[in-house]
Amino acid sequence: GAVVSQHPSRVICKSGTSVKIECRSLDFQATTMFWYRQFPKQSLMLMATSNEGSKATYEQGVEKDKFLINHASLTLSTLTVTSAHPEDSSFYICSARDTRRTGPYNEQFFGPGTRLTVL
Amino acid sequence: GESVGLHLPTLSVQEGDNSIINCAYSNSASDYFIWYKQESGKGPQFIIDIRSNMDKRQGQRVTVLLNKTVKHLSLQIAATQPGDSAVYFCAENTAGYSTLTFGKGTMLLVSP
Repeated sequence: GAVVSQHPSRVICKSGTSVKIECRSLDFQATTMFWYRQFPKQSLMLMATSNEGSKATYEQGVEKDKFLINHASLTLSTLTVTSAHPEDSSFYICSARDTRRTGPYNEQFFGPGTRLTVL
Repeated sequence: GESVGLHLPTLSVQEGDNSIINCAYSNSASDYFIWYKQESGKGPQFIIDIRSNMDKRQGQRVTVLLNKTVKHLSLQIAATQPGDSAVYFCAENTAGYSTLTFGKGTMLLVSP
C-alpha cells in the first residue's frame, strides 16, 4: 500500500514552453501533497504544499506564478512549470500524506520523481 | 572513511562492515524524525522513523539513535551490503506541522 506515482518520469522541453507533472496516490486518498525540487548532489527542497480543493502554500522564494499547482481531487496533484528555462532543469519529487492517518506526525509517501531537462 | 565533497558527504565502507550515518538537526521543537534512502534517479524510500519520546529504535538491520540533548540523529546499518549504496537523508518534523525538513544527505558507497 501507500504507492505514489509520477508522470512523466522524464521530460525534455524547449526553453519557453510549459511542462505539467502529475502526482497520483494510487491506493489511498491524499488531502495534502507536497512538491520538492532536488538539484544534483543536493537535498530535497520543499517548494509547496498542495491542498485538495484550496490554494497551494508556497515556500519562501518559490514563484507561485511560475510553478502552478492544482490539487483537484484526493488522488491527484499537478505541478506546471510555466515558461521553463534551463535553470528550471531539476528532479521534481512529490509526496503524499494519507488522509486516514490522523496522527500529529507527518508521514509522507514519496513518488519516484520526474527529471526535467530544459534545453 | 568519510569525506566531505562539495555538496554531499560520502561514507565508504567494505561489504559486511557496519555503517553509521550521522545527522544534526536544527529545530529543538522537532519531535519526529525519519531516515530515507534515495537511489540514483529515484524518489526517497522510507527506512525507519523515531519519535522524540524514544532514544533508540531498531528495524531489520537498521537502528536509529536519537540524542535530543545535542540534536543528533544517527542511522546504523549492520552488515552493510552493496545494495545499501545510496544517499541517505534524515528528515525532521514537528507534531502538528505538515512539512518535513530534510538534512543535507550522506552518500554511502559499499565496496564488495
